[in-house]
Amino acid sequence: GESVGLHLPTLSVQEGDNSIINCAYSNSASDYFIWYKQESGKGPQFIIDIRSNMDKRQGQRVTVLLNKTVKHLSLQIAATQPGDSAVYFCAENIIKAAGNKLTFGGGTRVLVKP
Amino acid sequence: NAGVTQTPKFQVLKTGQSMTLQCAQDMNHEYMSWYRQDPGMGLRLIHYSVGAGITDQGEVPNGYNVSRSTTEDFPLRLLSAAPSQTSVYFCASTPFKGHTGELFFGEGSRLTVL
Repeated sequence: GESVGLHLPTLSVQEGDNSIINCAYSNSASDYFIWYKQESGKGPQFIIDIRSNMDKRQGQRVTVLLNKTVKHLSLQIAATQPGDSAVYFCAENIIKAAGNKLTFGGGTRVLVKP
Repeated sequence: NAGVTQTPKFQVLKTGQSMTLQCAQDMNHEYMSWYRQDPGMGLRLIHYSVGAGITDQGEVPNGYNVSRSTTEDFPLRLLSAAPSQTSVYFCASTPFKGHTGELFFGEGSRLTVL
């Protein structure tokens, strides 16, 4: 079946460096792709989304890139900070009249080293 | 605004017992949903609702019931708990059923079934 997955389960990054988190997806019918951040003991928190007809979208210190040719999604975090340590999930969303269904990938842990 | 509130935060059940996980949101959101999160896996959709009186199944609905009698509340019922239902459960909401993928999550309810 269709799925959303991640290449790396754990990413260690030096504080101040840039982080890149990757995600592969298989459902080309998805309308939006989303990144969530989940800190220990908390619920996921929305970071940024990108519509399927876009290639790039920037937020505050984050950039999401979408490559539909190879069905690849990435999240770039600039100048990684200790507060960025968390698990990051990619997700895909198909908009339906009866109500959307958001499908999540398996998650990758980012560890920021001081 | 309290956002999305889940109760209880922790619960231990014996196999065969029943219980209800409560979810309430005070943001007048149209769309509400329940996810479960298991170690090493992403969040999986159990049930969702696009408005009061309307519910539908997600990808893992077996063993769970829901109802949506009001806009604010979306309880998840386990009629006969099984060890396979040991998980962390998250309730999430968003303003509209045709959302882009930005969900607002509660803090989670950790359930252990012995």
